[in-house]
Amino acid sequence: DSGVTQTPKHLITATGQRVTLRCSPRSGDLSVYWYQQSLDQGLQFLIQYYNGEERAKGNILERFSAQQFPDLHSELNLSSLELGDSALYFCASSREGVYEQYFGPGTRLTVT
Amino acid sequence: SQKIEQNSEALNIQEGKTATLTCNYTNYSPAYLQWYRQDPGRGPVFLLLIRENEKEKRKERLKVTFDTTLKQSLFHITASQPADSATYLCALDPGGYQKVTFGTGTKLQVIP
Repeated sequence: DSGVTQTPKHLITATGQRVTLRCSPRSGDLSVYWYQQSLDQGLQFLIQYYNGEERAKGNILERFSAQQFPDLHSELNLSSLELGDSALYFCASSREGVYEQYFGPGTRLTVT
Repeated sequence: SQKIEQNSEALNIQEGKTATLTCNYTNYSPAYLQWYRQDPGRGPVFLLLIRENEKEKRKERLKVTFDTTLKQSLFHITASQPADSATYLCALDPGGYQKVTFGTGTKLQVIP
């Protein structure tokens, strides 16, 4: 158990819909990262937040947005969902000055 | 463009032997290189981190080497066990406020 929690574990929704994925980092970790993992793409970095501020951005679609709240939990919002958005979405966290990331169990999103 | 290559094919080895996994990169100058283990449907788990000025790092049965001239890292598991069967990901970190990039991983199967 990494100490990072993600909800929900599974999500099934239809094309065009909007969903919110939630992540709580390990106690004391200020950085939160979001990744998308699909079978043919590997682990793709989406975005990083540090203490509420956006720190780094990957190839995150405009239909996707994220934020980190004052209590350090983070949410990833996915809108106008397409079939190709079906994937595992992971959240990870890390401490200040420490580079290894601790991953949550992931949210499996299925868009039908 | 930046590219990270890991053995795309699965690696099968006999229990007790040493497994060696390769991570090659181009057009990249990582400050840190990390190795993670990922089991099916689960989040990656951090194993080892090596800095650009380090040649080798060890942790129990694990050893990582980092050759910035060859742009290559080797990951060794000695006295391999069936429980070591998993996908192993290398991740390149340029340091600073830049994104970490993961390779697609190598699937290791240790045969009893």
